[in-house]
Amino acid sequence: DGGITQSPKYLFRKEGQNVTLSCEQNLNHDAMYWYRQDPGQGLRLIYYSQIVNDFQKGDIAEGYSVSREKKESFPLTVTSAQKNPTAFYLCASRDGGTLMNTEAFFGQGTRLTVV
Amino acid sequence: AQKITQTQPGMFVQEKEAVTLDCTYDTSDPSYGLFWYKQPSSGEMIFLIYQGSYDQQNATEGRYSLNFQKARKSANLVISASQLGDSAMYFCAMREGSGSRLTFGEGTQLTVNP
Repeated sequence: DGGITQSPKYLFRKEGQNVTLSCEQNLNHDAMYWYRQDPGQGLRLIYYSQIVNDFQKGDIAEGYSVSREKKESFPLTVTSAQKNPTAFYLCASRDGGTLMNTEAFFGQGTRLTVV
Repeated sequence: AQKITQTQPGMFVQEKEAVTLDCTYDTSDPSYGLFWYKQPSSGEMIFLIYQGSYDQQNATEGRYSLNFQKARKSANLVISASQLGDSAMYFCAMREGSGSRLTFGEGTQLTVNP
């Protein structure tokens, strides 16, 4: 079945450590996204990528880094510079091109807790 | 600047009644798309409905319809005949022009009462 896989579902890390969240899609989508969601809040865009080897900062990129070496993969690294990393992280992908009506498909999310 | 605004943090509706969730947006691009998503307590994001800026008619998908008022820059979601399973967080989102950036609002928590 085609879809987006985020792993792990739950992740615990000590303060000051970098951690990488995985996002893989087999939908052959060009665009991929990372969002952060805090309890009871909306989705805030961290980074997005329209094509391989290219990505753009979203609204809250500070303390995060990404790479897009393969079309299927868009890993997110939460660095020690991120002051409040505990949150729910959602990855999404969308069929690229100029068509406006292509919706984004989401993974199940990774809940990161930093202690 | 906030481009998507959802002014209702929480809404309550009786089962079988209709409910409207508000969404206003801000853009100078004549070409844009508006999306609504549902997020149950499990956290998954479920796509509900899409409205394009050039669409002449309001979008409908089953019990979901979109009240699109272009001049007012609003794209309100109407859910008819509410069901208990409709209780969830609802998000409005926008994509501008031919770009890939997809921006979400703060969301509205809908509770359907039996």
